[in-house]
Amino acid sequence: EAGVVQSPRYKIIEKKQPVAFWCNPISGHNTLYWYRQNLGQGPELLIRYENEEAVDDSQLPKDRFSAERLKGVDSTLKIQPAELGDSAVYLCASSLEAGDINEQFFGPGTRLTVL
Amino acid sequence: DAKTTQPNSMESNEEEPVHLPCNHSTISGTDYTHWYRQLPSQGPEYVIHGLTSNVNNRMASLAIAEDRKSSTLILHRATLRDAAVYYCILRDDGSNYKLTFGKGTLLTVNP
Repeated sequence: EAGVVQSPRYKIIEKKQPVAFWCNPISGHNTLYWYRQNLGQGPELLIRYENEEAVDDSQLPKDRFSAERLKGVDSTLKIQPAELGDSAVYLCASSLEAGDINEQFFGPGTRLTVL
Repeated sequence: DAKTTQPNSMESNEEEPVHLPCNHSTISGTDYTHWYRQLPSQGPEYVIHGLTSNVNNRMASLAIAEDRKSSTLILHRATLRDAAVYYCILRDDGSNYKLTFGKGTLLTVNP
């Protein structure tokens, strides 16, 4: 069974440029999460989707970050414009249903470097 | 969210058992203890979770103190592939989907 797929794996951009990350969750998982992981820290939740609905985006910096999950499957996270402090690994995860205490499955992440 | 405290780093030798401690003195009655680990250049992966009783699975064992204020993740025979950052997380049963990661414990396994 394929795991969570993310692309690209690496992205280098200059500040003020836009960037987008794509995530394909495990088939059948209706809950999708985006996390950001700064160097030396644990991941921090940015947004959670249940199907197409963003049910928790309280930690998403809405002035420059946006996300969408069309048709309740794939998701895209966008930053526009990127700032130096956005350099981090962006992780996507999925689970069978919100509140599932068993397991979140993570992708390998996209490492963003903003110059 | 209830907080956890873990050592920043630990070392072990290959094929020896490893005991990774976690303190969670403010745990509530409905908080489960979850463990995830993150191998280099990968996303975190689930290891094990428990509420009150000790738990075993193919990856590890989880020993939970009687007062539930601490727990220990046990790797019975460490391998080089177990070198990772191990995160201890408290998660409320059913009402809190959120995984709040701390800095975790960096486990180094020596050959």
